[in-house]
Amino acid sequence: NAGVTQTPKFRVLKTGQSMTLLCAQDMNHEYMYWYRQDPGMGLRLIHYSVGEGTTAKGEVPDGYNVSRLKKQNFLLGLESAAPSQTSVYFCASSYSTSSDTQYFGPGTRLTVL
Amino acid sequence: RKEVEQDPGPFNVPEGATVAFNCTYSNSASQSFFWYRQDCRKEPKLLMSVYSSGNEDGRFTAQLNRASQYISLLIRDSKLSDSATYLCVVNSATSGTYKYIFGTGTRLKVLA
Repeated sequence: NAGVTQTPKFRVLKTGQSMTLLCAQDMNHEYMYWYRQDPGMGLRLIHYSVGEGTTAKGEVPDGYNVSRLKKQNFLLGLESAAPSQTSVYFCASSYSTSSDTQYFGPGTRLTVL
Repeated sequence: RKEVEQDPGPFNVPEGATVAFNCTYSNSASQSFFWYRQDCRKEPKLLMSVYSSGNEDGRFTAQLNRASQYISLLIRDSKLSDSATYLCVVNSATSGTYKYIFGTGTRLKVLA
């Protein structure tokens, strides 16, 4: 099992450009999450999904959109990148939101110039 | 006040030492608690869940104090490989909501 994979691993964007981050999991998990991690701050939830075709806003959703068309994939889109979106983005999945372990992907390091 | 607070460290300890971290949380209705480990430039990984009665996994012991609203992680006989950042996670979700809060982490350096 590959677990949770993310593409790309690194990306540099110019302000105003758009991009999509892809997260894939092969553990048949229902729940998937997108977080961002910035120095001095804990992981902050951007959006999450409790199943195929469903998405919900997290703590810091502005400037991002998501889609969960297939159970195994969760896409994070930046329509018009801003320097404030420079961060490390982690995708995670879990069987449920209760006490289950969240499994994280390796992260995407995004720099917006 | 932050919902989950941790001392950022770093805690510099010699090999073989015992070290303890605390994490305080503000929501008394929080239901479940975890410690994750994050190596430099890597993803977080679950270290252990924290149960009400306390639990141990090898050299690691986790405890929950609901009255004072904190959880703790004790590492005995520290190894160089224990050097990492330890993230406290508190789940305060209620029905139909999601609230899984990560602390900013405590950095541990084990020195030879």
